[in-house]
This record gives sequence, C-alpha cells and structure tokens, in this order.
Amino acid sequence: DQQVKQNSPSLSVQEGRISILNCDYTNSMFDYFLWYKKYPAEGPTFLISISSIKDKNEDGRFTVFLNKSAKHLSLHIVPSQPGDSAVYFCAASRRGSGNTPLVFGKGTRLSVIA
Amino acid sequence: DSGVTQTPKHLITATGQRVTLRCSPRSGDLSVYWYQQSLDQGLQFLIQYYNGEERAKGNILERFSAQQFPDLHSELNLSSLELGDSALYFCASSERADRRGRHNEQFFGPGTRLTVL
Repeated sequence: DQQVKQNSPSLSVQEGRISILNCDYTNSMFDYFLWYKKYPAEGPTFLISISSIKDKNEDGRFTVFLNKSAKHLSLHIVPSQPGDSAVYFCAASRRGSGNTPLVFGKGTRLSVIA
Repeated sequence: DSGVTQTPKHLITATGQRVTLRCSPRSGDLSVYWYQQSLDQGLQFLIQYYNGEERAKGNILERFSAQQFPDLHSELNLSSLELGDSALYFCASSERADRRGRHNEQFFGPGTRLTVL
C-alpha cells in the first residue's frame, strides 16, 4: 500500500519555464512533507519542506504548496534551469516523539531542456 | 556534502554471504536511519536508531540487523544474501540535540550500492 504517490515518472520542461511536480498522500497522520532532489550516484539532497499548518512555503526558485483537503502537494520550480534535471522525491512523516522515518514516493525524473 | 559518510561505496558479493555497511552521521546528529532503494522504487525505510537505541522499524527482513554505537556511527548487517537484496542502501541522519522534538529534515549519505551475484 503506497502512502505517498508520485504518479508522473518523468517530466520534460524547457529552460526558463515553470516545472510542476505533483505528489499525493493517503495517510491523514502525515504532518510534515519534504522534497528531495537526487542526482545519479549521489544521495538525496533536501530541497524544501512544509508543515501541515501551512499551505505554502517558498525558498528562492522553489515553492511547495500543500492542499490538505485533497491530500496533495506540489513543487513549483521557476524558472527551471538545466541544473535542475534530476529525480525529485516527495516524502512525508508523521507526528511522533522526536523525528520519525520518512515515507517516500517513487520519484519523478525532471529533464530541463536548454 | 551532507556530512553523512557511508562505506563502502560499492560492494559485490555472492548469494548466501554476509556484509556490513557502515554509516557516520553528521556531527551532532543523534538519529540514524537506513533506507533501501531497489530498481525503480522509492526509498523504503528499514530501521531507525536514536542515541544508541532502536526507535522505529520498517520493512526490515529478519536476515538484516543494525546497531548504533556510542560514537553514534551505525552499521547495517545483511546476511544470507539473496539476489533480490541487490539495491542502493542509504543512511540518513537528523535530530541534533538542540532541535530535538521538532521536525528536522534528514540528511543522506551517498549510499552503498550492493550487488549480489
């Protein structure tokens, strides 16, 4: 049973345009959501996160939107750059005493074309 | 550089063998997590240690075990290896003592690629 779903395995976007990566979750107990970027032969790198008490968080070119009623979040990258080409993982964690493990989606491979 | 180190980077072994993967967390981080990434799959949580104690267990096989030592480094032991155990194994760390109790992002090491032949 996949609790975090990224339904688009891949996405191609032209340089300078907006990239929108989507993620859905099923577990209502999740209260913290993260996006990670992964290049080949490297570990995932933390990108941006959002708490369930917010609906938007912005960091430079990256913005994450959370729609709790739809159990949906999205990552917007504006403007997209060739260096953004990577696999993006959506992850979620649930409230606990201290940090709890992350539940990951299967990832979306973003290709930014120059 | 995340500050999390993992050794070895690559490991090739045969079915039935036993291997040990090593992880050193970021300085000051108390939690260590192990994740497995098989082909075309997301990262699957295996086990978490916090300050030397097991805190959470995921889909970890009985053939696998882990521990966290007093210096906070961790080892993942995989035994009676099968072809299906071939995967990338990532270690992550989080939860510096001064931010304990709050959500913290996890920082990942570069991974160990295990190939079982």
